[in-house]
Amino acid sequence: IAGITQAPTSQILAAGRRMTLRCTQDMRHNAMYWYRQDLGLGLRLIHYSNTAGTTGKGEVPDGYSVSRANTDDFPLTLASAVPSQTSVYFCASRVQGTGELFFGEGSRLTVL
Amino acid sequence: GQQVMQIPQYQHVQEGEDFTTYCNSSTTLSNIQWYKQRPGGHPVFLIQLVKSGEVKKQKRLTFQFGEAKKNSSLHITATQTTDVGTYFCAGNSGTYKYIFGTGTRLKVLA
Repeated sequence: IAGITQAPTSQILAAGRRMTLRCTQDMRHNAMYWYRQDLGLGLRLIHYSNTAGTTGKGEVPDGYSVSRANTDDFPLTLASAVPSQTSVYFCASRVQGTGELFFGEGSRLTVL
Repeated sequence: GQQVMQIPQYQHVQEGEDFTTYCNSSTTLSNIQWYKQRPGGHPVFLIQLVKSGEVKKQKRLTFQFGEAKKNSSLHITATQTTDVGTYFCAGNSGTYKYIFGTGTRLKVLA
């Protein structure tokens, strides 16, 4: 089934630990995105990638890094997690032509 | 940087009543998109507006894009319990960045 797979679905993490959220799509979409969702703040863009090999900063990039080695994968890394990074993280890809963003199911991260 | 504000934050309506959410951008947009997120789910694309003053309809949903391309609205006529969820607008200023509004959470009372 074509779509976006995010992993893990849920994770509890100790502060200071390194964590990578995985995102894989099989739709061959060029552009991919990472958003975090917090109550009352909506969806905030962390990083994005126009195409494989390029990345860009969004609204709230500090504390996060991304890489785009190929079209399908767009992992998000927290180098040293802090409690304020507790959130639900959504990966999305942009449908060619329509501009529609297609979202994954999300990864719920709790940093203690 | 670009900011997108959305009001109201919450709206409770009786089933059958109408509902409207408004979106305002700090910058002129190339296009604006609307998404719906059901409780516990992920955002799902509803529509994209591109032209100044554009109006699009999807059954009971009416979407408008302002003349200045800085504001937009979503109106639902005769709400149903299936309309429950959070509605987001997302503005694009001609780059690959899509900046989302804060969302309007709709509750429909049967």
